Amino acid sequence: AQTVTQSQPEMSVQEAETVTLSCTYDTSESDYYLFWYKQPPSRQMILVIRQEAYKQQNATENRFSVNFQKAAKSFSLKISDSQLGDAAMYFCAQTEDAGNMLTFGGGTRLMVKP
Amino acid sequence: NAGVTQTPKFRVLKTGQSMTLLCAQDMNHEYMYWYRQDPGMGLRLIHYSVGEGTTAKGEVPDGYNVSRLKKQNFLLGLESAAPSQTSVYFCASSYSKAGQPQHFGDGTRLSIL
Repeated sequence: AQTVTQSQPEMSVQEAETVTLSCTYDTSESDYYLFWYKQPPSRQMILVIRQEAYKQQNATENRFSVNFQKAAKSFSLKISDSQLGDAAMYFCAQTEDAGNMLTFGGGTRLMVKP
Repeated sequence: NAGVTQTPKFRVLKTGQSMTLLCAQDMNHEYMYWYRQDPGMGLRLIHYSVGEGTTAKGEVPDGYNVSRLKKQNFLLGLESAAPSQTSVYFCASSYSKAGQPQHFGDGTRLSIL
């Protein structure tokens, strides 16, 4: 099975500042997708951003952007202008088995200080 | 807009009891998935389905069975519950392969005593 590693169990950021969450993955597939999901205390799983591996351009969604380094198998999430509502668990995930399955990392808890 | 609905939301079982978790989606999605999330961990795939009448094993399938008799429903069964199966269970669906975003239900918290 492929692995997804999030090396930061917890991160904190001051409101309005920028924070970067790290993720590394391991895959032998040439075509795959990477995701960041947010899980607030409500337990919902909310898609934040998606990256297609064959696209070199980094994905962006408003205040959220990624730094996708394919050769290094790194996929970090940058949150700009952090808001109190960004406080949550963040999970990195990658597809495997030709896209049939999704493998998640262990998560990073983000705290936002007012 | 219901999306993905899981029932029940919370259940307590005794060791050895059986139960079925129901997942229903109203988005006409082909793919459906069952995950478990243990404290402090990410989601792990139990079983998945690529269409009506199909099922396949995920990363942690032991002790669980699934069925997809109707496209909109995906059932997860525990035949003989064990304390190690205490977890939060999430169902998800997607339009096609996992390259498409998965839509998640709100989860079922299952405790086995």
